[in-house]
Amino acid sequence: QKEVEQNSGPLSVPEGAIASLNCTYSDRGSQSFFWYRQYSGKSPELIMFIYSNGDKEDGRFTAQLNKASQYVSLLIRDSQPSDSATYLCAVPLGSTLTFGKGTMLLVSP
Amino acid sequence: DGGITQSPKYLFRKEGQNVTLSCEQNLNHDAMYWYRQDPGQGLRLIYYSQIVNDFQKGDIAEGYSVSREKKESFPLTVTSAQKNPTAFYLCASTGGAGSEQFFGPGTRLTVL
Repeated sequence: QKEVEQNSGPLSVPEGAIASLNCTYSDRGSQSFFWYRQYSGKSPELIMFIYSNGDKEDGRFTAQLNKASQYVSLLIRDSQPSDSATYLCAVPLGSTLTFGKGTMLLVSP
Repeated sequence: DGGITQSPKYLFRKEGQNVTLSCEQNLNHDAMYWYRQDPGQGLRLIYYSQIVNDFQKGDIAEGYSVSREKKESFPLTVTSAQKNPTAFYLCASTGGAGSEQFFGPGTRLTVL
């Protein structure tokens, strides 16, 4: 049973559009959720985390959490070619984080 | 600057050899982790350590070994028993269970 699921993509959007990335999780007790961005050949870097139901905004990024439906999403407004990367969703599982396989985002100029 | 360092960046191994990947952090984090990433795949947990002199197996520990003699260091040995070791290896640390993990730059291991 996979704990964290993401669509592998690629998700292709034109520059300036809104990119919507989704993640579902199986553990109803999960309290915190993390979004990482990973450029090709590089290590993941944390871009957002969210603990409470609703939306959390940070610049062009918005994380949305719906615990009842067990999904968390990441919206990227005004997408730029530099946003092209793989986005990983992560959920705590005991002392570790469980990562989804990631969604590849391609932003075309 | 606080952070996590991994060395070497690239490593080539002949079949049958053991190799050790270095991971050092100066973030004063208690917990450290080793992941393996294959092309187009997510992160798979190899080993983790929550405190010095203690570590636990992750999902794919077979063919790997670790030690945690110092808080700052968590080296990973890829043994000859690991049949398909070519991958990107990532070390991470965190200040508390369930908190965000911070990653090192990674080591790319290739078996010749």
